[in-house]
Amino acid sequence: SQTIHQWPATLVQPVGSPLSLECTVEGTSNPNLYWYRQAAGRGLQLLFYSVGIGQISSEVPQNLSASRPQDRQFILSSKKLLLSDSGFYLCAWRQLEPNRGYTFGSGTRLTVV
Amino acid sequence: GEDVEQSLFLSVREGDSSVINCTYTDSSSTYLYWYKQEPGAGLQLLTYIFSNMDMKQDQRLTVLLNKKDKHLSLRIADTQTGDSAIYFCAEIANNYQLIWGAGTKLIIKP
Repeated sequence: SQTIHQWPATLVQPVGSPLSLECTVEGTSNPNLYWYRQAAGRGLQLLFYSVGIGQISSEVPQNLSASRPQDRQFILSSKKLLLSDSGFYLCAWRQLEPNRGYTFGSGTRLTVV
Repeated sequence: GEDVEQSLFLSVREGDSSVINCTYTDSSSTYLYWYKQEPGAGLQLLTYIFSNMDMKQDQRLTVLLNKKDKHLSLRIADTQTGDSAIYFCAEIANNYQLIWGAGTKLIIKP
């Protein structure tokens, strides 16, 4: 069966420090992968999506970047965190059959202090 | 652009039915989804409905779709304390990205 792993679950980082959040998928190949951010009281905002290795599309300009070094690995990064980067980050993958929807990881709570 | 709107809070008594409403703007949406997020957890797909359907029932959950009014609702029968969560409505846009509502926090009163 397909599973998605995301870590760490919580992270507290000082302003200006780097960030690396990792997401891996098991049980499928060539998935579409997504990074979402959820701010308090708001819906999810799509940050990046990837349809294959090395292929990254950015939905909004920001302090973050994403990479896909392997088929089932998606990484969210920042060289220098800002206070506004605090939030709940979710990795997701989409199965080819639309009616299966998106499967989400358990999320990372990032607090920039 | 596409937009999905839903109320931020809903309070119901345990044992009553909960009805969470959602409106969307993209008339070309093929699938509409309801996701559940429990405190500190990721998102769980609850149910979905295809755009050519008016209703879908799955145990305690009933989804109603009014395409004319672009209105989607989720009814939870016999609401339990374990149903406390934030419920997100989402639609698929033309580029297969999900457009999300802000989420409705369901509060269960004893």
